[in-house]
Amino acid sequence: NAGVTQTPKFRILKIGQSMTLQCTQDMNHNYMYWYRQDPGMGLKLIYYSVGAGITDKGEVPNGYNVSRSTTEDFPLRLELAAPSQTSVYFCASSADRGRFYSGNTIYFGEGSWLTVV
Amino acid sequence: DAKTTQPNSMESNEEEPVHLPCNHSTISGTDYIHWYRQLPSQGPEYVIHGLTSNVNNRMASLAIAEDRKSSTLILHRATLRDAAVYYCILRDADSNYQLIWGAGTKLIIKP
Repeated sequence: NAGVTQTPKFRILKIGQSMTLQCTQDMNHNYMYWYRQDPGMGLKLIYYSVGAGITDKGEVPNGYNVSRSTTEDFPLRLELAAPSQTSVYFCASSADRGRFYSGNTIYFGEGSWLTVV
Repeated sequence: DAKTTQPNSMESNEEEPVHLPCNHSTISGTDYIHWYRQLPSQGPEYVIHGLTSNVNNRMASLAIAEDRKSSTLILHRATLRDAAVYYCILRDADSNYQLIWGAGTKLIIKP
């Protein structure tokens, strides 16, 4: 039962460096998301994708980029890392079963702890 | 997007029922009420959801007020493993991706 898998789990970056957080899911979900969570706060949506080749911005997209070339993978790219990007990042996925379906449970990865120094 | 209001924290004794409240006075007719919880150092996990009627599953029960402006998540017999942050979220059927996450309620279970 892999579900949503994120790598790496922990990373320290220097200011100005770039990196990619990897995310893959094995549930054939069409929707995928990237969230960040600052200490004591709720989750904020960075980017999301409704299917391969389709991505869109969430609440806090600045400083990040994404791509979705396959259903399974949704990597998040951090360009020119800044201390403000120190956070925990969660990748998630869900199945779209139509406009009036209430479920669409979101499944989350275990998180990636990123520190920018 | 409609938002929710939850207490910052609550305490309960082990093996007693827990009632976690959530206010959502601006809820619209198409908003579903979802609850997720986040255990320490883990990603959130789904607990339960509902629209108008009360709902039960193996994890919890969800009681929804008749006017839908508030709801209560009920853990029937809390254990230490239920200590987590509980999020009440409104989900528009037309906006699968747009969830507004508040700070949630930190549930502390006393042995």
